Amino acid sequence: TQLLEQSPQFLSIQEGENLTVYCNSSSVFSSLQWYRQEPGEGPVLLVTVVTGGEVKKLKRLTFQFGDARKDSSLHITAAQPGDTGLYLCRGVANAGNMLTFGGGTRLMVKP
Amino acid sequence: DAGVIQSPRHEVTEMGQEVTLRCKPISGHNSLFWYRQTMMRGLELLIYFNNNVPIDDSGMPEDRFSAKMPNASFSTLKIQPSEPRDSAVYFCASSLTAGGRDTQYFGPGTRLTVL
Repeated sequence: TQLLEQSPQFLSIQEGENLTVYCNSSSVFSSLQWYRQEPGEGPVLLVTVVTGGEVKKLKRLTFQFGDARKDSSLHITAAQPGDTGLYLCRGVANAGNMLTFGGGTRLMVKP
Repeated sequence: DAGVIQSPRHEVTEMGQEVTLRCKPISGHNSLFWYRQTMMRGLELLIYFNNNVPIDDSGMPEDRFSAKMPNASFSTLKIQPSEPRDSAVYFCASSLTAGGRDTQYFGPGTRLTVL
């Protein structure tokens, strides 16, 4: 199983602040997915990035896939309490046991 | 679409008892996944099926755990005998294509407490 490390593990910020969370691996992925999980629910897909260097925007969320397709970042602008949750990245590799989730970043946005 | 359905939503049992968790994937999906989530270990893949066939069960912690998928619309995860360290939230997820490289659709989870 490929290892995906997410940082930070926990993040507590005030409403309106910006933040970036990271998903890193020593392995190359064919694609990488970001999910958000709210308390009491299962994770829900936010975005999939496929091309090295790709940047995708989803309202105030900006996702970037590293040029070498080994890492990814999620940047949130002007965070809101509704952004609170657990953010998970999932790497999909070309070969071997390729289906793995990172450990997650638990975000709390205080009003 | 009703999404992935899991039952029960909560289960409290005593150590040594058998526990059966159930999952109905989204109709037409070809892959089904069982995950376990704890604060300490995060979201762990236990086993996944392609077209009802188990492909990778390397994440199943030990022989006390077993999973079946008798048809395309139903899967079970059984723990026998259960132990307190099995307490966790168990998620079932399905995806459209075999292999699970596309979007994973998760159920609401079953919160298991083993006393």
